Amino acid sequence: QKEVEQNSGPLSVPEGAIASLNCTYSDRGSQSFFWYRQYSGKSPELIMSIYSNGDKEDGRFTAQLNKASQYVSLLIRDSQPSDSATYLCAVNGWNNQFYFGTGTSLTVIP
Amino acid sequence: GAVVSQHPSRVICKSGTSVKIECRSLDFQATTMFWYRQFPKQSLMLMATSNEGSKATYEQGVEKDKFLINHASLTLSTLTVTSAHPEDSSFYICSARDRNSGNTIYFGEGSWLTVV
Repeated sequence: QKEVEQNSGPLSVPEGAIASLNCTYSDRGSQSFFWYRQYSGKSPELIMSIYSNGDKEDGRFTAQLNKASQYVSLLIRDSQPSDSATYLCAVNGWNNQFYFGTGTSLTVIP
Repeated sequence: GAVVSQHPSRVICKSGTSVKIECRSLDFQATTMFWYRQFPKQSLMLMATSNEGSKATYEQGVEKDKFLINHASLTLSTLTVTSAHPEDSSFYICSARDRNSGNTIYFGEGSWLTVV
């Protein structure tokens, strides 16, 4: 079982819709959770970090964490074509090891 | 957010030569840095974990004598691709862990290596 699992997609949503990206992790001792966005040909950039159960909002982005279910998600409201990218979920485990998912490819259709 | 600078952004080298890529954390001290390789349309592949003042830890299948990693200071790690071959052509990305920011990892801009 992989440490972090994501649906590779591709996920397509129309412009203006809500894009929902999901991630599960195996290490129950994980404390820190991150979402990165990677445009084609570029390196990943940090979008959100979340450390406690519940929702964390930043502009059009909302990260949701449920430690009991070992589940973290990213919602993108009012999706724009510029949001089209690969989204990487990352988890900092109990042993301070950092694990990345393989990424979900999102396409926002104008 | 914190800044990690990677240099050069693009490099072309001849087969058999060596090339060095630098990764610097500009506004924080990074005791741990990571080196990744990414082929087009594929996932990030962790090559090695670099700890300041000690030897790097390489992932299985990564040749440590070919990919030399040095982390001599808290703000600088280097990756040297030795005796480069065309199959080493790839996108190399470094990242650094900021302990003062919840262990957040920040990425450098990446380096495109083309071996001809």
